[in-house]
Amino acid sequence: ILNVEQSPQSLHVQEGDSTNFTCSFPSSNFYALHWYRWETAKSPEALFVMTLNGDEKKKGRISATLNTKEGYSYLYIKGSQPEDSATYLCAFKSSGGADGLTFGKGTHLIIQP
Amino acid sequence: DTGVSQDPRHKITKRGQNVTFRCDPISEHNRLYWYRQTLGQGPEFLTYFQNEAQLEKSRLLSDRFSAERPKGSFSTLEIQRTEQGDSAMYLCASSPDRSLGYTFGSGTRLTVV
Repeated sequence: ILNVEQSPQSLHVQEGDSTNFTCSFPSSNFYALHWYRWETAKSPEALFVMTLNGDEKKKGRISATLNTKEGYSYLYIKGSQPEDSATYLCAFKSSGGADGLTFGKGTHLIIQP
Repeated sequence: DTGVSQDPRHKITKRGQNVTFRCDPISEHNRLYWYRQTLGQGPEFLTYFQNEAQLEKSRLLSDRFSAERPKGSFSTLEIQRTEQGDSAMYLCASSPDRSLGYTFGSGTRLTVV
């Protein structure tokens, strides 16, 4: 059973502040690490798919880094806005042939005005 | 194409009844996935299709669950003799390639009473 852990479980951040959270995953048989944002009553939305050790991706105020050797990824949000409130999910894809993603439980982010 | 569609959005059923959910993926996407999410957990992989072929099934998928994707277009997920433990959000996602992120539907929320 693959273990994907996210921390913290929930986070309250003041509007305008920057924040980050962590995803840890197995460091062996790595193929890809996905990040999704899931707003209430909407579909999960793909943010990043990361495949290379040391990869850094950016989308507006959101960025992510990847360390496959030690098995962790960070998601950063700069200058949080109320519309950033959502659950952020990371998911690990193994190179071992299985095509399904193993998701963490998510970080529930609430931006307080 | 308006994205991945799932029907119905909500389903309440009595224990022991059969239910069927439908997913219409993005038409160019040959890969289709079903996931299940219960409260406090991340989405859990159920099954995966490439075109009409069901290539992978999770051990979570008991013999009461069956999925089809005739002609490689829409997919159905059927649960026979529903149990209260089947209450969950059932998510469908599609992707054009193994290296790309998923596009998710809005999910079907099943409540078994």
